[in-house]
Amino acid sequence: DADVTQTPRNRITKTGKRIMLECSQTKGHDRMYWYRQDPGLGLRLIYYSFDVKDINKGEISDGYSVSRQAQAKFSLSLESAIPNQTALYFCATSFGIADTQYFGPGTRLTVL
Amino acid sequence: DQQVKQNSPSLSVQEGRISILNCDYTNSMFDYFLWYKKYPAEGPTFLISISSIKDKNEDGRFTVFLNKSAKHLSLHIVPSQPGDSAVYFCAATRRNAGNMLTFGGGTRLMVKP
Repeated sequence: DADVTQTPRNRITKTGKRIMLECSQTKGHDRMYWYRQDPGLGLRLIYYSFDVKDINKGEISDGYSVSRQAQAKFSLSLESAIPNQTALYFCATSFGIADTQYFGPGTRLTVL
Repeated sequence: DQQVKQNSPSLSVQEGRISILNCDYTNSMFDYFLWYKKYPAEGPTFLISISSIKDKNEDGRFTVFLNKSAKHLSLHIVPSQPGDSAVYFCAATRRNAGNMLTFGGGTRLMVKP
């Protein structure tokens, strides 16, 4: 079984809809992250959490919110989806101050 | 403005030859650099890293070189294999400032048999 899982893997939705992307990990890591990938721009950080009670905005948090339900679960919400939020979304985890992050398989989101 | 840039969106090399992927950064506070590899429909996976106190780190066929004065790093793959075909992302971080990773835009490497 994969250490970092994301659901759904693919989602097509309409403008204005509320969407939740979920991430679960079995690695026992304390830190979790949400990124989006756009062509030519690499991965950009949306939100990150160093533990259950710690949530921080990343580079591009506008239009997104997150919830850290447990150490193993970190969900990303789009309250009212818009077409320019069409992207590939990745969840990642890391342990303590270690630099290496471990990524989930990604969710491809299309907003029509 | 992107602090980490990979100016070549794609690179094609012949199997057995050397692949050289380049990355430039602008923030002199970055002190740790990583390379990730990404296959289609998968998340990025960690490949190799280097601290700013070193200028070279080697792991099997993969070597990363760091030129701090030029704010430039490169990933060498020797010999290149068809299974190395993937998108490669360079990332940089400040270790004492939360370890947030800043990624470059990626380079798609195609290794031809």
